[in-house]
Amino acid sequence: EPEVTQTPSHQVTQMGQEVILRCVPISNHLYFYWYRQILGQKVEFLVSFYNNEISEKSEIFDDQFSVERPDGSNFTLKIRSTKLEDSAMYFCASKGTNYEQYFGPGTRLTVT
Amino acid sequence: SQQGEEDPQALSIQEGENATMNCSYKTSINNLQWYRQNSGRGLVHLILIRSNEREKHSGRLRVTLDTSKKSSSLLITASRAADTASYFCAPRITNAGKSTFGDGTTLTVKP
Repeated sequence: EPEVTQTPSHQVTQMGQEVILRCVPISNHLYFYWYRQILGQKVEFLVSFYNNEISEKSEIFDDQFSVERPDGSNFTLKIRSTKLEDSAMYFCASKGTNYEQYFGPGTRLTVT
Repeated sequence: SQQGEEDPQALSIQEGENATMNCSYKTSINNLQWYRQNSGRGLVHLILIRSNEREKHSGRLRVTLDTSKKSSSLLITASRAADTASYFCAPRITNAGKSTFGDGTTLTVKP
């Protein structure tokens, strides 16, 4: 069964460094999303992406964040200058022509 | 708000019993998806129900939707220890819109 994959599974970075989190959505899906979950808290929406542009973003998704679909298979989330409070589990999701959103296993980002 | 609120917050049952979790939301929705999350892991799609549907089944799962009451329920029949996880509902206002999550129901199934 097709699934969303994410790399790396765990990323440790120092405050102020840039990180890129990578996702491979399900092939032929057209809608892409990033969410995050701070430990012990709710899953929060960050951004949705369709037709090579952002379709919606939350207040969390400020200028430090950017998304890109650099080729036909990858979907990336970049955090330019990480802060301690960016430590969280980051989930990528994708959706095709059906209604279901499928989530990846997540990348645990630890900012020290 | 669009966010789903699950109830109860925690549920503990014996293996073989049924587990029922409820979800309430406040806006009109296009669809609602139920997910399972094991501790520290990703969200696994369980079942999606559209706004024009009232009930759906998938294996041991049964989901209902009452749009007049803005509520949904997830029933897991004949529960197993492996069903121990957190369960979330995610209502969506549009087909391709964002999912908004509540705190979930933490289900513990004791062997």
